[in-house]
Amino acid sequence: GQSLEQPSEVTAVEGAIVQINCTYQTSGFYGLSWYQQHDGGAPTFLSYNALDGLEETGRFSSFLSRSDSYGYLLLQELQMKDSASYFCAPRRGNTPLVFGKGTRLSVIA
Amino acid sequence: ETGVTQTPRHLVMGMTNKKSLKCEQHLGHNAMYWYKQSAKKPLELMFVYSLEERVENNSVPSRFSPECPNSSHLFLHLHTLQPEDSALYLCASSPLGRTSGTDTQYFGPGTRLTVL
Repeated sequence: GQSLEQPSEVTAVEGAIVQINCTYQTSGFYGLSWYQQHDGGAPTFLSYNALDGLEETGRFSSFLSRSDSYGYLLLQELQMKDSASYFCAPRRGNTPLVFGKGTRLSVIA
Repeated sequence: ETGVTQTPRHLVMGMTNKKSLKCEQHLGHNAMYWYKQSAKKPLELMFVYSLEERVENNSVPSRFSPECPNSSHLFLHLHTLQPEDSALYLCASSPLGRTSGTDTQYFGPGTRLTVL
């Protein structure tokens, strides 16, 4: 079977650091993608981890542990514009992405 | 124009109407996708086309009919929809096709559909 879990909502203060966790269970796992979606907008690609460890892209970092079937997205120096939904999506060999319900991040002043 | 575009951006239709959603990608990608996004629900994959061939159909009702005339265009034809079909319909494309585990999907802005 296949499962995907991430928190439904997270609230953090502007300027702070927030971590959004994702646990997955899937066969044929290639890697873990993260997408951001603002209200009324389209999902946009943020990062992809094929290997264990941390990938850094500016204020955003993504981590993967294959042995734990776990990953997280780390957002630093939070800005109000980071308020959005964040989706983790495991990539599998011969199938398109599967998206979970996402985590709604609210950044407050 | 660049990226993935969708028209119309908003659509209101009655249950007896026939309408079509259009998606166009200007990225030279080989695969295109239709997703449905309802409130409080995950993105639901509807159809996948790879090199203009439908490779996946996730048990979508026949009132939704996709068409992919070429690798740059994807349509979703709508007929006798139900109010529960009201949702955001998102088109996406990816470079290599669904058989690649490393493919990144690029989404269009979506069409907000309301069925009365």
